[in-house]
Amino acid sequence: EAGVTQFPSHSVIEKGQTVTLRCDPISGHDNLYWYRRVMGKEIKFLLHFVKESKQDESGMPNNRFLAERTGGTYSTLKVQPAELEDSGVYFCASSQEKSLGIEETQYFGPGTRLLVL
Amino acid sequence: AQSVTQLGSHVSVSEGALVLLRCNYSSSVPPYLFWYVQYPNQGLQLLLKYTSAATLVKGINGFEAEFKKSETSFHLTKPSAHMSDAAEYFCAVSEGFGNEKLTFGTGTRLTIIP
Repeated sequence: EAGVTQFPSHSVIEKGQTVTLRCDPISGHDNLYWYRRVMGKEIKFLLHFVKESKQDESGMPNNRFLAERTGGTYSTLKVQPAELEDSGVYFCASSQEKSLGIEETQYFGPGTRLLVL
Repeated sequence: AQSVTQLGSHVSVSEGALVLLRCNYSSSVPPYLFWYVQYPNQGLQLLLKYTSAATLVKGINGFEAEFKKSETSFHLTKPSAHMSDAAEYFCAVSEGFGNEKLTFGTGTRLTIIP
């Protein structure tokens, strides 16, 4: 079974440009999460999709960030325009729909390393 | 609001020695607790999780953690360190059911001394 995949693995852009990150969750996983780790700090939650719907977007830093999950499959996270402080590693995770009250494990992708110059 | 504190951003142990990585949490509801590991150039991998069953949780690669409510701790241990354990370790907490987002600590980088 393929794991969570993310593309690109690295991206270097200039301030003011646009970058789109993509996440392909594990097949059949309804839950999809985006997290970000700014250098030297903790990994922080950005948002949570259940299928194509945004369940929780309380962690999105500002309106320069736009996440979509068309058709409830892969997700994209667009940063427009990018600022220096957006640099960091963006992680995607997915999990199955909850069943029988069991907390489902989140499986993480390798991350996209974004550097804004 | 939840929070996680990992004491020691860097820990070094000798090969064969005990590994102890500390994690303290704060949560207003009974927490779900996790330890993830990140090896170089890889994603986060779940080591173990506590979901209100047994307080001593066994994970992969010989790691285990004990949930201590009175101390609000969930420290990670391994009796004998191996060179392959060198990685960054993250403790995380979630409220579960309806609020599954993970709140992470700042991570502990484990170095194994030959």
